[in-house]
Amino acid sequence: AQKVTQAQTEISVVEKEDVTLDCVYETRDTTYYLFWYKQPPSGELVFLIRRNSFDEQNEISGRYSWNFQKSTSSFNFTITASQVVDSAVYFCALSTIIQGAQKLVFGQGTRLTINP
Amino acid sequence: GAVVSQHPSWVICKSGTSVKIECRSLDFQATTMFWYRQFPKQSLMLMATSNEGSKATYEQGVEKDKFLINHASLTLSTLTVTSAHPEDSSFYICSEAGATDTQYFGPGTRLTVL
Repeated sequence: AQKVTQAQTEISVVEKEDVTLDCVYETRDTTYYLFWYKQPPSGELVFLIRRNSFDEQNEISGRYSWNFQKSTSSFNFTITASQVVDSAVYFCALSTIIQGAQKLVFGQGTRLTINP
Repeated sequence: GAVVSQHPSWVICKSGTSVKIECRSLDFQATTMFWYRQFPKQSLMLMATSNEGSKATYEQGVEKDKFLINHASLTLSTLTVTSAHPEDSSFYICSEAGATDTQYFGPGTRLTVL
């Protein structure tokens, strides 16, 4: 079964702290994609990153970085020097083929609050 | 990434009425669009996959006759909530699948049924 687990329901930190959002996934597929999306209070889901199962290189984009480890089925997301604007709900998702159709399986989300 | 719009952004209706939500792909011809619903403080749940020119594929437990999906063109998919009831109040979000299997989401429509 395809499953994504974000064990941290809510995280609250003070501005400028580093914070890591955990994501663990389950899949029997050998080819799959992992995603992170940000959902600010406005509600729109903003695409952050896509990673395929064959690419385990870590990625850095500004203050954001992602650590993909197939050995532990994890795809963690770190925000360095957090800012108030980073406050949002973050979703980790797994893209897979279910009954011949591409589908996204979402984790429960982590609500991140950055306090000034 | 792709740009997706939704209309309306919010709607309030009386119980028993039907509501139509539009999802438009503004810069990409999307043969496939997806419809999700999200209850407060919960994750997104896929309702159906909308395929241009053919019938939508609904997820288990989603009533086809209640949530009518039409994908008549490559840039427009519509979701009609028929005979809406208060329990249908939710946040409805559409997405389109880009060329790289990445889904880009619309801004969502908040439906409140009184």
